[in-house]
Formats: sequence, structure tokens, C-alpha cells
Amino acid sequence: AQTVTQSQPEMSVQEAETVTLSCTYDTSESDYYLFWYKQPPSRQMILVIRQEAYKQQNATENRFSVNFQKAAKSFSLKISDSQLGDAAMYFCAYRSPPEFRNEKLTFGTGTRLTIIP
Amino acid sequence: EPEVTQTPSHQVTQMGQEVILRCVPISNHLYFYWYRQILGQKVEFLVSFYNNEISEKSEIFDDQFSVERPDGSNFTLKIRSTKLEDSAMYFCASSVYRGGYTFGSGTRLTVV
Repeated sequence: AQTVTQSQPEMSVQEAETVTLSCTYDTSESDYYLFWYKQPPSRQMILVIRQEAYKQQNATENRFSVNFQKAAKSFSLKISDSQLGDAAMYFCAYRSPPEFRNEKLTFGTGTRLTIIP
Repeated sequence: EPEVTQTPSHQVTQMGQEVILRCVPISNHLYFYWYRQILGQKVEFLVSFYNNEISEKSEIFDDQFSVERPDGSNFTLKIRSTKLEDSAMYFCASSVYRGGYTFGSGTRLTVV
């Protein structure tokens, strides 16, 4: 079974600074997807960024970017120019290789990010 | 942008009662899921549903749970006899093959 590990239960960063959240995963597959989800106090799951394993180029969405190291099975999230609204729980997630009947997600335990004004 | 709609947003029920959580997935999505998040813990997969049948279920999804797609739009999760430990946030999600994956805003279930 796939596992996703987030080794940082909590992180904090000064407003406008850069922070990196770590995620590692374990899989024997070569074709899969990786995601970072943000969960604010409302507990809604908001997609931040996604990465297809077959793509070598790291995904970027505005201030959010990833460092995807396939061989090392590492998928870190970098948040640049941190803003107060970035404060939330961040979950790393692995999506099983596409098969015609199921594309479930496996989540890590999350990292709580605090932004210091 | 299309949304996954969940109702109710919050439900309080007495232990032993049956509850039905409702979801309206995105209309052209083919895969449907329920996930659970106990307060302060990670999001856990419960069940996936494709082509009107369960395609995979986790160890959590025991006989007290069932899912149904009663019509072309709704997707429901029934918990037959609720326990205190069923108190959690329940998320519905839907996806297309190799495509977008969208979560609903969740139903907070409180069992008292």
C-alpha cells in the first residue's frame, strides 16, 4: 500500500518570507499524481497544486511551486512571499495510478502552517 | 467553476441513529468517493464508486456504512447505527479519468 509522510507537524514563517513544506511517499508505481491541498479553519479541502509523475518539470501556481524528486520519492511545496491567508493545514496526497475503476487519494498527516505578521 | 455540493453542512445525531449524508457530484464526473477526517487527524479514504458499484473500500467502511447513487445526480453515504467515534468531517469527491479531482465542502457529523 502507498504511504505518504509529512515529517513536519507544524511550521511557521514570517509574512513575506519563503517556506518549504516536506513530503515523501512510498510507491512501486511509475505513473501517478501528487497533490498539495490546503485546509483552512473552515475545513474545506482546497487544491493548491498538482504534479504528474511523468512530467520532469516542477509544477508552479503563482506563489506556490513544488520540488518533485521522483527517484527520491520527495515532493516538497514552496510558498514564496507568504501571506496571512496562507495560514492553514497543508496536506500532501498521492493518487494511485490511473485505472478504469478507481483513483483514490492517500493523504499525509498534514503540516500546520502559521504566518507571523 | 463546477462544484461538488454536500448537504447538510452540519448534522447532529444521537448514538444509534441512522444518518444519510448527501452529495451532488460534478455532472460529467464518473468516479465518486467518500473520505473521512476525524478532528485533528488526516483525511482517510472510505469508499470509491464507479459504474453504479463500489470499486474499492477501506477497512473503515464496514457493514454499518453503505453508499448509493439513487438517481443520476445524488450520491449518498448512509451510516446505519452511529457511534460516538463516527463523529468526523465527511467529504464527498468526484473525478474524471486522469483529470480533475474535486472535493465538496464537507459535512460535519457530531454523534452525541
